[in-house]
Amino acid sequence: DSGVTQTPKHLITATGQRVTLRCSPRSGDLSVYWYQQSLDQGLQFLIQYYNGEERAKGNILERFSAQQFPDLHSELNLSSLELGDSALYFCASSARGPTGGELFFGEGSRLTVL
Amino acid sequence: AQRVTQPEKLLSVFKGAPVELKCNYSYSGSPELFWYVQYSRQRLQLLLRHISRESIKGFTADLNKGETSFHLKKPFAQEEDSAMYYCAPQGGATNKLIFGTGTLLAVQP
Repeated sequence: DSGVTQTPKHLITATGQRVTLRCSPRSGDLSVYWYQQSLDQGLQFLIQYYNGEERAKGNILERFSAQQFPDLHSELNLSSLELGDSALYFCASSARGPTGGELFFGEGSRLTVL
Repeated sequence: AQRVTQPEKLLSVFKGAPVELKCNYSYSGSPELFWYVQYSRQRLQLLLRHISRESIKGFTADLNKGETSFHLKKPFAQEEDSAMYYCAPQGGATNKLIFGTGTLLAVQP
């Protein structure tokens, strides 16, 4: 158990809908990362937060947004969902502040868009 | 642009055979290099990092800055090594961690 918790574990929804994925980092970790894993794209970096502020952005679509709250949990919002958004979404946290270091991953949230 | 290349999607070897999982990277500056592993039904987890220069579960990885490679090696593969392996450099202004496409290692009995 890495200490990173993601909910929900599985989510099935329809095209055009909006979902929110939640991540609770390890106790004390200030950095949160979001990744999307799909069969054809591998693990794609989406976005990183450090202590409530956006730190780095990757291949995140405009339909997606995220935030990190004062209690350090993070949410990834996916809207106007398309079939191609079906993937496993991972959250990870890091203890080494904004300069990186080992990432601890959650089990992921599997999103299926029908 | 930052890029990581793992040329083999699948690497199948027999138990006891040597293993080399290739990783080449294109990254500005001097990134920190990691190998992450995902065993079946488990979370993605750190296997090793280049700065520690240690051997984990018999695996080692040598950073070759000239060739910008960070290949993962093990002299004698075990069945329990079967997993998905990701090479991941971290660095740049924001120190974001990017992953290669991964190599699935299958060790046959």
